[in-house]
Amino acid sequence: DGGITQSPKYLFRKEGQNVTLSCEQNLNHDAMYWYRQDPGQGLRLIYYSQIVNDFQKGDIAEGYSVSREKKESFPLTVTSAQKNPTAFYLCASSTLTAYQETQYFGPGTRLLVL
Amino acid sequence: SQQGEEDPQALSIQEGENATMNCSYKTSINNLQWYRQNSGRGLVHLILIRSNEREKHSGRLRVTLDTSKKSSSLLITASRAADTASYFCATASNAGNNRKLIWGLGTSLAVNP
Repeated sequence: DGGITQSPKYLFRKEGQNVTLSCEQNLNHDAMYWYRQDPGQGLRLIYYSQIVNDFQKGDIAEGYSVSREKKESFPLTVTSAQKNPTAFYLCASSTLTAYQETQYFGPGTRLLVL
Repeated sequence: SQQGEEDPQALSIQEGENATMNCSYKTSINNLQWYRQNSGRGLVHLILIRSNEREKHSGRLRVTLDTSKKSSSLLITASRAADTASYFCATASNAGNNRKLIWGLGTSLAVNP
């Protein structure tokens, strides 16, 4: 099966704790993205990566960090600096062409603060 | 920043009726995409329409694009209860090397059996 997976489905964070959300794809896509979605809202871009070992900040990168050591993997760390982390986090991937084409999404991770 | 705007924000119809939702945007685009999101799930791509296209069909979906008005509409014909979901439009800039999609806030569609 080709696709994009995220884990865990639910994640609980304590105050002052860093947590890492996993995103893996076997679609052989070059580009990967992390979005945050708040209730009743659209998607806001946190970080994106077009190639291994390179990534760019999106619109709301503060309090988050990423790495792209492998083409298939793009983990997101929610650091203690992110004061309002409760949200639904979506990972996506796409091919890399001249213009932004279709993005394929994972099932999401819901992060809750204890 | 969110530049796409969908309307209505929420739509409730009876099964069998048609559902129309609209999307407006602000900048020049290469393409516009529509996605569906079931509650608590990831987004699923529905259809992509390029800036040089005016209308596109996929099954019960019909998308139109008016670049002069910077707007698009998504029509779902003969709706089913399974069409209940949120629908988002996203635009891709025609500026070179711009990899970001600009997302709207979505239309929540409820199809009542």
